[in-house]
Amino acid sequence: AQKVTQAQTEISVVEKEDVTLDCVYETRDTTYYLFWYKQPPSGELVFLIRRNSFDEQNEISGRYSWNFQKSTSSFNFTITASQVVDSAVYFCALTPRVGNTPLVFGKGTRLSVIA
Amino acid sequence: ETGVTQSPTHLIKTRGQQVTLRCSSQSGHNTVSWYQQALGQGPQFIFQYYREEENGRGNFPPRFSGLQFPNYSSELNVNALELDDSALYLCASSLLQAGGYNEQFFGPGTRLTVL
Repeated sequence: AQKVTQAQTEISVVEKEDVTLDCVYETRDTTYYLFWYKQPPSGELVFLIRRNSFDEQNEISGRYSWNFQKSTSSFNFTITASQVVDSAVYFCALTPRVGNTPLVFGKGTRLSVIA
Repeated sequence: ETGVTQSPTHLIKTRGQQVTLRCSSQSGHNTVSWYQQALGQGPQFIFQYYREEENGRGNFPPRFSGLQFPNYSSELNVNALELDDSALYLCASSLLQAGGYNEQFFGPGTRLTVL
């Protein structure tokens, strides 16, 4: 069985602060994909990143960075210099690398960035 | 935008009624997956349709059913609505290819309220 845990239900930061969203996953698959999605108030899931389980390199994209650690089954997401527009619910998700299996989502972390 | 559209945007029904939600997949995609997102939760997989056949199902009762049409658009039908069916319903389209990962593109969702 697969499981994604986002222990932080809500986080509130002041604009320009850095913030890290935690994600811990469980899977018996040896290969899998991990994802982060952003869900603004409009409801649509916005894809942020996909990471292959073979690739443990950290990734930086602008103000976003991701830290994948297979040894601790974690895939954490950091926003540097947060902005009000970053306010949203962020979901971590998991799926096996091959096959047609669905995404398994965590419960999400609601991030509020205060001006 | 992903090119995946859903209708209607919002819907209010009463307990016991039936509802049909619609999803138009992205051009070139042959697979549609449906997810239910209850308030404060992550999306949960309902089922997937590939070439007009159900191709995987989550832990949802038979009163949740679906269809996929030759143009790959899809419907989600829910009979005998219950209060707990109130949720955001998301569809995601993808192109199922042998041996590859099937990137899922999400629509904006239909918010269903059952009174």
